[in-house]
Amino acid sequence: DAKTTQPPSMDCAEGRAANLPCNHSTISGNEYVYWYRQIHSQGPQYIIHGLKNNETNEMASLIITEDRKSSTLILPHATLRDTAVYYCIVRVWDSSYKLIFGSGTRLLVRP
Amino acid sequence: DAGVIQSPRHEVTEMGQEVTLRCKPISGHDYLFWYRQTMMRGLELLIYFNNNVPIDDSGMPEDRFSAKMPNASFSTLKIQPSEPRDSAVYFCASVQRGLDTEAFFGQGTRLTVV
Repeated sequence: DAKTTQPPSMDCAEGRAANLPCNHSTISGNEYVYWYRQIHSQGPQYIIHGLKNNETNEMASLIITEDRKSSTLILPHATLRDTAVYYCIVRVWDSSYKLIFGSGTRLLVRP
Repeated sequence: DAGVIQSPRHEVTEMGQEVTLRCKPISGHDYLFWYRQTMMRGLELLIYFNNNVPIDDSGMPEDRFSAKMPNASFSTLKIQPSEPRDSAVYFCASVQRGLDTEAFFGQGTRLTVV
């Protein structure tokens, strides 16, 4: 699975959009981009995933560049409860489904 | 479904004792994963099962660690003997095979070995 690079920390103001970048320059054509987050002391929680098209759900939007070498997770209106570590993971859809976590981005939402 | 259930939530044990962590995956899920999380090493995949069969245990740190899945609704992670460096939060996750699939994680077991 391709490696990902994320900034170690970011912050944003409550109510504003949080844009979390992820670089995955060695991504292969059959690898998906997944985003999970981990709120303090809890298990990781799935947010969203995509292959090449932009995706949106009730939690967030995922923007994947045309060359697929990077992506951005967007939390449109961040709340204090969005303070967490966000993990960008690249994975081939195959029979394993295993997730290899990097160090992620620690997002702090300020009041 | 109540989600992935892990027990106990907290475990404090003395060095050298046997520790057993338990996990009940979501019904119908055919993959089960065990992770360990520490400040130093982050989230590490220890082992995973498919249809109760261990597929990849390359992340298991030592022979002191063992995992079993006797049936589709139960898995254990055992450490014998335990050591202080095993102190961590252990997470279990389950997945149902499919294209649009996601992993569901339990709340974890915080293990402290003194």
